[in-house]
Amino acid sequence: DAKTTQPPSMDCAEGRAANLPCNHSTISGNEYVYWYRQIHSQGPQYIIHGLKNNETNEMASLIITEDRKSSTLILPHATLRDTAVYYCIAPGSGNTGKLIFGQGTTLQVKP
Amino acid sequence: DTEVTQTPKHLVMGMTNKKSLKCEQHMGHRAMYWYKQKAKKPPELMFVYSYEKLSINESVPSRFSPECPNSSLLNLHLHALQPEDSALYLCASSPFSLKETQYFGPGTRLLVL
Repeated sequence: DAKTTQPPSMDCAEGRAANLPCNHSTISGNEYVYWYRQIHSQGPQYIIHGLKNNETNEMASLIITEDRKSSTLILPHATLRDTAVYYCIAPGSGNTGKLIFGQGTTLQVKP
Repeated sequence: DTEVTQTPKHLVMGMTNKKSLKCEQHMGHRAMYWYKQKAKKPPELMFVYSYEKLSINESVPSRFSPECPNSSLLNLHLHALQPEDSALYLCASSPFSLKETQYFGPGTRLLVL
């Protein structure tokens, strides 16, 4: 499983875009990158995942660099309810594929 | 419907008690998981069931005993727990395997006295 590195914390003003970076320099060619978030005391929530191309859904956009060594999760218009811990995970190929949660990035959205 | 339900929401138990946590999903998923999350730490995988068979046990102590009676239901039986087992216990499911998106329940917050 590829190791991921994220900043421990970030702040964002309400209504602005939140850009959360993730480094996964050891990722292999067929490993997906997943993003989950966990709002305080709730279960983790799936946000988005991608392999090579940029992805967008109703929650966020995922930008993956061409060399696949890093990615950025973009919340286009952050709200106070987006305050959470955001986890970037590369579950790995083969039979592992386990979700190994790192420490994540605590995003604080401020009014 | 992407809902995983867990009961109870909260549980307090003594070290000599036997209790069970329950997890249910009706999405037709064939893989189900138990995670443990201590305060201010990320979730850690405990068990994986695939097609109702235990496929991964992450060296979890035997005082935790999982059970998958059918494809929709996952239980975690607890016996002789220690105070350090107090944590949020999360259940998740995915369509077929580990390599797919997992959907998590809200968790059961367990306090062992």
